[in-house]
Amino acid sequence: DVKVTQSSRYLVKRTGEKVFLECVQDMDHENMFWYRQDPGLGLRLIYFSYDVKMKEKGDIPEGYSVSREKKERFSLILESASTNQTSMYLCASSEPGQGGSGNTIYFGEGSWLTVV
Amino acid sequence: QKEVEQDPGPLSVPEGAIVSLNCTYSNSAFQYFMWYRQYSRKGPELLMYTYSSGNKEDGRFTAQVDKSSKYISLFIRDSQPSDSATYLCAMSAGGKLIFGQGTELSVKP
Repeated sequence: DVKVTQSSRYLVKRTGEKVFLECVQDMDHENMFWYRQDPGLGLRLIYFSYDVKMKEKGDIPEGYSVSREKKERFSLILESASTNQTSMYLCASSEPGQGGSGNTIYFGEGSWLTVV
Repeated sequence: QKEVEQDPGPLSVPEGAIVSLNCTYSNSAFQYFMWYRQYSRKGPELLMYTYSSGNKEDGRFTAQVDKSSKYISLFIRDSQPSDSATYLCAMSAGGKLIFGQGTELSVKP
């Protein structure tokens, strides 16, 4: 069974704090993704990585950065959290093809972040 | 205009009903089509995958793709309360996956 594990399920942080969201996958997948999910807006891609130390901006990268030092681990960093970053964050992984070409994206359980 | 449009619902049906969930899209290059199911407070999980046009059946679930109309559907037969979830369509042309907003489905006993 593919497993994408997000270590923190529920977090409450203060405005201006630096926030780390960690994600680990156990399927040796090349691709890893960070999405945020908001009511009425659906899933929006923040960043993705197709290899160690490689990263690409998604649709909404502003206010976020990422780190991929090891193949199995992909971290999302909020340098200075703001209230508009209150959301559900989803990590995902896949084999090459970003979910197309028949390759499935596997999601983690999600991390609910509240910024106060 | 969004690349993928999906009615967010909510959709409420009685147990045993046939459910039809739909998405329309604008990019004619899309050829990979997926349906994900997301239970409350969980991550999405892949339910159905279809390449190009046609139908695919898996138990009570049938996925249909009509590329000429740029329209995809997911049918659920004999719906169960355990089918209550949000259903997201997703599609790609081989690159980035584009998701619909998701339709919230509630199946009442």
